[in-house]
Parts: sequence; structure tokens; C-alpha cells
Amino acid sequence: GESVGLHLPTLSVQEGDNSIINCAYSNSASDYFIWYKQESGKGPQFIIDIRSNMDKRQGQRVTVLLNKTVKHLSLQIAATQPGDSAVYFCAETAGGTSYGKLTFGQGTILTVHP
Amino acid sequence: GAVVSQHPSRVICKSGTSVKIECRSLDFQATTMFWYRQFPKQSLMLMATSNEGSKATYEQGVEKDKFLINHASLTLSTLTVTSAHPEDSSFYICSAKRAGGHEKLFFGSGTQLSVL
Repeated sequence: GESVGLHLPTLSVQEGDNSIINCAYSNSASDYFIWYKQESGKGPQFIIDIRSNMDKRQGQRVTVLLNKTVKHLSLQIAATQPGDSAVYFCAETAGGTSYGKLTFGQGTILTVHP
Repeated sequence: GAVVSQHPSRVICKSGTSVKIECRSLDFQATTMFWYRQFPKQSLMLMATSNEGSKATYEQGVEKDKFLINHASLTLSTLTVTSAHPEDSSFYICSAKRAGGHEKLFFGSGTQLSVL
């Protein structure tokens, strides 16, 4: 079936550096993409989302880029902090009645060293 | 912000018993809830879609008689793992779709099921 995958399973950065987490998706029908942060033993925490009619969206310290041509999604975290250490998942969903049925990527473990 | 409460957060049971997990939307109505399963160091996999007042829709490979879903009200969906076995041990997570206006998805905090 369709799937969303990540290129890098782990990422280690120094505190203050910028982090970039990548994701590839394969379902061309997907029109809504979300990045989640998951800490150990907890449910996913919403970070930022983007719809397919956009190619960039910025939040506080985070930016999501969407390249529909190559079906690629990235999450940029500015000035990464130790509290950002977690597993990050991208997720996709289509619109209409399929909205909300998320397909998650494999996840990237982000470790921020003080 | 909207809150989804999931209970229990952790449960340990003996093989062969059944376990019920509750997912409640505390401050909004959720016509649709979703159940996911996550094995250690893996991603979340959608198990089923729970619709208020109708039968759940299960993803391919998920046994509907094994994982019973009931969505009796606009704020509550339950997942019952029947005749649990050690291979059912996993982290179960629900999400709820808030109806009306700009639809948003909200996740519960998850339930860690350990079957002995």
C-alpha cells in the first residue's frame, strides 16, 4: 500500500544548531501533512501542518517545507534545544472522507546534546 | 485547546483476558475517532476508524473480532482487545476528529498494554 517514509532514522545535533528532518511520501492523493513530536510513553504532539496548496509554512522555531514534485516533506527546527529531543514523525492524510486517517512515516530520533 | 483523554495509561493483564481502553473527547464532539497501534521503536499504524453510531472500519490485516470498537456517543470510543495474547502487547493510541469548521485532529496520551 501507500506509505510515508523517512530518510534518516537518527539525528544528533548540538544545542543551538538547526535541525532538518526529512520525509518522503508516496500517496499523490494526500493533501494534508503534519509533523508530530513523540516523547517516550506519550501520544504524538502536533508541531505544524501544511496543506498541499502551500510549499512552506512557518511556526515558532519550526518550518515545514513541501515539495509536491518529488513528494518530499521536511521539518526545520531552529536553535534546537535539549527539550526538542524526541522522535519526530511526519504523517499524511487525504481530504474528503479519508481526512483524519493518518499514514505515519517511520520516525526520526532527534537527540540534542547540551 | 481540545483534549482527548485516554484511559488507562498502562495495563498489565494475563493471557486470555480482555482489556478495554477508553478514548474520550473532553471538550468537543468527535464524530470520528481513530485507533492506532505502535510497537516499540516503530511508527504508528492505523488499526481502525470509529464512527459514532455505526460500525467501525478496520484496516487490512486487523481482526475485527479481536479488536472490538464501540463508539456509542459523540465523546467516547472504546477499544476492547479480546482474548489478549503476548503479541498484542503494544502502545495503543486514539485520535479524535473535531467536527465542524476547520477540522482538527487530537491525540490521546496512549495506553501501554502488556500481556503476560
